[in-house]
Amino acid sequence: NAGVTQTPKFQVLKTGQSMTLQCAQDMNHNSMYWYRQDPGMGLRLIYYSASEGTTDKGEVPNGYNVSRLNKREFSLRLESAAPSQTSVYFCASSGLNTEAFFGQGTRLTVV
Amino acid sequence: TQLLEQSPQFLSIQEGENLTVYCNSSSVFSSLQWYRQEPGEGPVLLVTVVTGGEVKKLKRLTFQFGDARKDSSLHITAAQPGDTGLYLCAGYPYNNDMRFGAGTRLTVKP
Repeated sequence: NAGVTQTPKFQVLKTGQSMTLQCAQDMNHNSMYWYRQDPGMGLRLIYYSASEGTTDKGEVPNGYNVSRLNKREFSLRLESAAPSQTSVYFCASSGLNTEAFFGQGTRLTVV
Repeated sequence: TQLLEQSPQFLSIQEGENLTVYCNSSSVFSSLQWYRQEPGEGPVLLVTVVTGGEVKKLKRLTFQFGDARKDSSLHITAAQPGDTGLYLCAGYPYNNDMRFGAGTRLTVKP
């Protein structure tokens, strides 16, 4: 069982570059999420998607865009990366108000 | 301000000691979840508490949901080095968006 798969696992960007983080789940979950986790911190919600075709802002959406391509895939895009976006990014999926399953994370450094 | 406030933020204890971690909010939750995260990994669910006043036990871990469903606690009895990790509480304050507390980083020394 793959669960939630994120790519890439590591990425270094220069300030101003763009990139897309990919996430796919094979559990037929309706809800998908993107979080960022800074050193010594919990997880802060960037965007979430309650179902295919819908997306909503979380706590820290500025500087990010998302696409819920289909039920399986939810991507996160940084259009112009900034050093403040250096973080570990986690994708997760869940059923309605149930346990969330997480990917392994993407460690992003913006220099 | 965080929707879910966790305390303490850091906890370092000796093997065999007991500890309690708290998760508090001014909002009412239909349920709260506790996750544990190890370095380099995503969080993994430990338990979900649903009913006000509910107590759940998972081996040496005891979870309680407050009567008013605004708070929860995690108590570990006779902590072991394998309990070391980041403990996170989480809940759905609104439809479909899951929010986390900042976490309690626990270190258990042998």
